[in-house]
Amino acid sequence: GAVVSQHPSWVICKSGTSVKIECRSLDFQATTMFWYRQFPKQSLMLMATSNEGSKATYEQGVEKDKFLINHASLTLSTLTVTSAHPEDSSFYICSARWVNTEAFFGQGTRLTVV
Amino acid sequence: QKEVEQNSGPLSVPEGAIASLNCTYSDRGSQSFFWYRQYSGKSPELIMSIYSNGDKEDGRFTAQLNKASQYVSLLIRDSQPSDSATYLCAVNMRGNNRLAFGKGNQVVVIP
Repeated sequence: GAVVSQHPSWVICKSGTSVKIECRSLDFQATTMFWYRQFPKQSLMLMATSNEGSKATYEQGVEKDKFLINHASLTLSTLTVTSAHPEDSSFYICSARWVNTEAFFGQGTRLTVV
Repeated sequence: QKEVEQNSGPLSVPEGAIASLNCTYSDRGSQSFFWYRQYSGKSPELIMSIYSNGDKEDGRFTAQLNKASQYVSLLIRDSQPSDSATYLCAVNMRGNNRLAFGKGNQVVVIP
């Protein structure tokens, strides 16, 4: 299958700082990228959908000013968690797809805010 | 009604048996359906895509689609301990290019 690379795999940051997570589609052009959050033993929770060159569409309850998403090219999307707090600690996963085809997931980023 | 429903609780199967997972969806116009496997602590990986009514086989996996009944299933034959994971059903929602996921079914294969 196609390759989606997510970086970093894990990050520890201090409360109040910002963290940027990158998601790259390595061998295909991603018209749409999705960002998810997953807490232990819970299901995937879609945070936002981003189409290349457009503003991201956020799911209800997700603060767009806190979780900044940029999808500037067909191969790169970034999620920035601003002013992170311990409750933001979670497993963040991106996925990418071309039009209506299957989506491929990145490896995920485990964020710990201390 | 939820967009994608996977209602079964954890499924325990003995090694070598068949694991059967079911999924229903609400959007009658959906055309693309996927099964993902997620190991604990890892991100989901695609294992099957199906677009037409009927069965699609890939190794020990068989996906079954019935659009009239709005039903997708996944069969895992000759289950192995390495198949122990959570299986997620995903449906492409018509019109907004979004994949809707079910909550997942945990499968435990007992040696």
